[in-house]
Parts: sequence; C-alpha cells; structure tokens
Amino acid sequence: SAVISQKPSRDICQRGTSLTIQCQVDSQVTMMFWYRQQPGQSLTLIATANQGSEATYESGFVIDKFPISRPNLTFSTLTVSNMSPEDSSIYLCSVEAPGEKLFFGSGTQLSVL
Amino acid sequence: GNSVTQMEGPVTLSEEAFLTINCTYTATGYPSLFWYVQYPGEGLQLLLKATKADDKGSNKGFEATYRKETTSFHLEKGSVQVSDSAVYFCARRGFNTDKLIFGTGTRLQVFP
Repeated sequence: SAVISQKPSRDICQRGTSLTIQCQVDSQVTMMFWYRQQPGQSLTLIATANQGSEATYESGFVIDKFPISRPNLTFSTLTVSNMSPEDSSIYLCSVEAPGEKLFFGSGTQLSVL
Repeated sequence: GNSVTQMEGPVTLSEEAFLTINCTYTATGYPSLFWYVQYPGEGLQLLLKATKADDKGSNKGFEATYRKETTSFHLEKGSVQVSDSAVYFCARRGFNTDKLIFGTGTRLQVFP
C-alpha cells in the first residue's frame, strides 16, 4: 500500500495567480499521476510525472499552464498557473502499486474567484 | 472510442436495500476494469477490480462481474449500510497505456 499526503487540502485564489500543490508518498514510486475532478464530471488525467524526466501531458493540458516537478521518487508538485475561474476543481495526485492498484491523495479543492 | 459510462446519481436507498450501479465501457480489446470509492472527506480508494472476461471482483460485500458480451461491469451489493454512502467511480485501463479512464461517478446515499 501507499500513503499519500497532499496539500493544501483547499484554497481560494484570485484569478491570475498561481498555486502549487504538493504530493508526498511514503514509499518510492516510479510514476505519479495528476488528475483533475471537475464538478459533475469524471476524473481527467492531466499528466504523468516520472522522476528524472519531463512530465507527459494528456491532450488538452500543457506544461506552461500546469508545470510539474518530480525531484525524487517520493515527491511531486503540480502548479496551476495564471488561474481563471474555469480552473476551479479538485486536483488529485495518485501512484500505482503492483497489481494495477491506484492510490490517491485526498485532493486539493481549488476555487478561483 | 474509449470511454466509461455510469449511471447518474444520486442513488438514494434505505438501509438493507439492494444496490446496483450500472457501468458500461467501450474499448479496444479487454481492458482491466475497476470500481473506486470516495468516502466523504477522503481520497479515492480501490474497491474491487477484474482483469479479464467473466472475472468477478468482490470486496466489502460489493461485487461486479466483467461481462464482455454486454461490455458492462455493474456494481452490486445485496444489503447496503449507511456507511456505504459515498461516490462510486467505474474505471477502465486505457489500451496500451498506464492511465485509467474514469466514469463521472455515482453518489450513493443510504438512509437508516
């Protein structure tokens, strides 16, 4: 199993500002995933973060808007840049353990005014 | 395309009622299928999974059978409890990829 600590748990931000979300795992993992969960919609994968290389972004997401760091095997950050109200969402980090089991952080609820 | 469709909620039941939450998928091949649950204030956690056709995943009294003929993976429980109140997400593995594709989630509310 994996225990994931994600912070902040929630934040209210002004448009045009940026927020960095941190994700700490209690064990070393190769891949970490960042998801967005918008109200009434499914979870959408933003990017996959591998240690030592650039993150791989899904269609519709770009590095300038969602820069990701992965300095080591237990930590990653996601920044939501130049925020607008459309970025209001829950952001989740997750890791995958053997057996196709995903573990998720408790999420960051972001509201942009 | 590759997608997951699950029934809209909320589903409201009395304690000890029978639960079904429908989930269908479209996919190339036979992807692994999952149900995740999100209890209030907590992160998503794996509830059960099935990796091939006719497999039945089960956990905590919940069951789901991988049915390739109907491309479905419906979640069932014979007698729900108040503590089962949560949001349930159906998901499938992407084709030749590590990522999961999730449904929109179904909120279950169980009243005593």
